[in-house]
Amino acid sequence: EAQVTQNPRYLITVTGKKLTVTCSQNMNHEYMSWYRQDPGLGLRQIYYSMNVEVTDKGDVPEGYKVSRKEKRNFPLILESPSPNQTSLYFCASSFARQTYNSPLHFGNGTRLTVT
Amino acid sequence: TQLLEQSPQFLSIQEGENLTVYCNSSSVFSSLQWYRQEPGEGPVLLVTVVTGGEVKKLKRLTFQFGDARKDSSLHITAAQPGDTGLYLCAGGRGDSWGKLQFGAGTQVVVTP
Repeated sequence: EAQVTQNPRYLITVTGKKLTVTCSQNMNHEYMSWYRQDPGLGLRQIYYSMNVEVTDKGDVPEGYKVSRKEKRNFPLILESPSPNQTSLYFCASSFARQTYNSPLHFGNGTRLTVT
Repeated sequence: TQLLEQSPQFLSIQEGENLTVYCNSSSVFSSLQWYRQEPGEGPVLLVTVVTGGEVKKLKRLTFQFGDARKDSSLHITAAQPGDTGLYLCAGGRGDSWGKLQFGAGTQVVVTP
């Protein structure tokens, strides 16, 4: 089954404790992206990657890191989480060619709480 | 600042009624996508419109892209409880590959 898999689904952590949210897709998509979703603000892009070893900042990259060493994986790293990073996070992927036309396939989200 | 403004933010209607959701911007987009998101899940693509003035139909859902490619609308005819969800529009621009902008969403609730 074609899917984007995020782990974990729920995560509660404390300020400053490094964490990684994993994302994997099995559709051979070149493009992958991370979003955070907050009430009233919708989905805001954190980072995206057009292909292996190619990443770029989205609209809200501060406090986050990403890497794209393999095509299928795109982990999101919070080196020192803070309470304002409490949010619902989504990973998404699509074919890179005509990205703005290609449908984004989303994972089921990771709800992160930073205390 | 939201590049794409959606209205209304919340819509509650009875089964059988019609509804329209709007997505507006001051920017021109190469394409507009509409997604629906249900609780506990990621958004799922409903449609992509790419040509100014384009109208697409998906059963009881009608999507329109404005002539100037700055706005779009989603119209649902005879809404059903299964149409309940968060409707999101997303705009893509050819001059910024990878940066898909989302609106804040319209929460639609259809009661039996």
